[in-house]
Amino acid sequence: QQQVKQSPQSLIVQKGGISIINCAYENTAFDYFPWYQQFPGKGPALLIAIRPDVSEKKEGRFTISFNKSAKQFSLHIMDSQPGDSATYFCAASKYNDMRFGAGTRLTVKP
Amino acid sequence: AAGVIQSPRHLIKEKRETATLKCYPIPRHDTVYWYQQGPGQDPQFLISFYEKMQSDKGSIPDRFSAQQFSDYHSELNMSSLELGDSALYFCASSARDRVVGEQYFGPGTRLTVT
Repeated sequence: QQQVKQSPQSLIVQKGGISIINCAYENTAFDYFPWYQQFPGKGPALLIAIRPDVSEKKEGRFTISFNKSAKQFSLHIMDSQPGDSATYFCAASKYNDMRFGAGTRLTVKP
Repeated sequence: AAGVIQSPRHLIKEKRETATLKCYPIPRHDTVYWYQQGPGQDPQFLISFYEKMQSDKGSIPDRFSAQQFSDYHSELNMSSLELGDSALYFCASSARDRVVGEQYFGPGTRLTVT
């Protein structure tokens, strides 16, 4: 059973557009919510992360929005570029117990 | 910056053979995690170690075992390999005195069982 539900499964965006990936969780004990970017054959790379006491965090073109009451969080990629084409995983953790979403395959078309 | 090192990067074994995967965490990281990722799947947590002691256990088969050594590197030992064990195996590391939950992944070992 996936403890973190991620959608969509795949996403196609035009260059310069906004990519939005959503995640939802059930366990309110989770206190750390990272996003990982993974290219084929490579390890997941930590992209950006947020804690539940913050509603938004921005790093460059990447923004996490967090809604604690709805138990949802999302990743926004502004000005999406072809180089952003990868699989994105949201995750939620308590201490060092991390659970991943199923992943979103993002394709940014030039 | 130094990253997590995994070896070997690729490994081909036959059914019923054994395999040993190695992980060298980022310097000064004291916690190591092992994940298994099947094709098109998300990483599944197998096991973790903190200060050479097992700290959490996930969906690790009984045929697998792991340990963390005094220099903090870790080895995942896999016996009686099955075709279904073919996957990418990732090691991640973190430092408990830093951001809890912040795990950094290695490049992975691709295991193929024939």
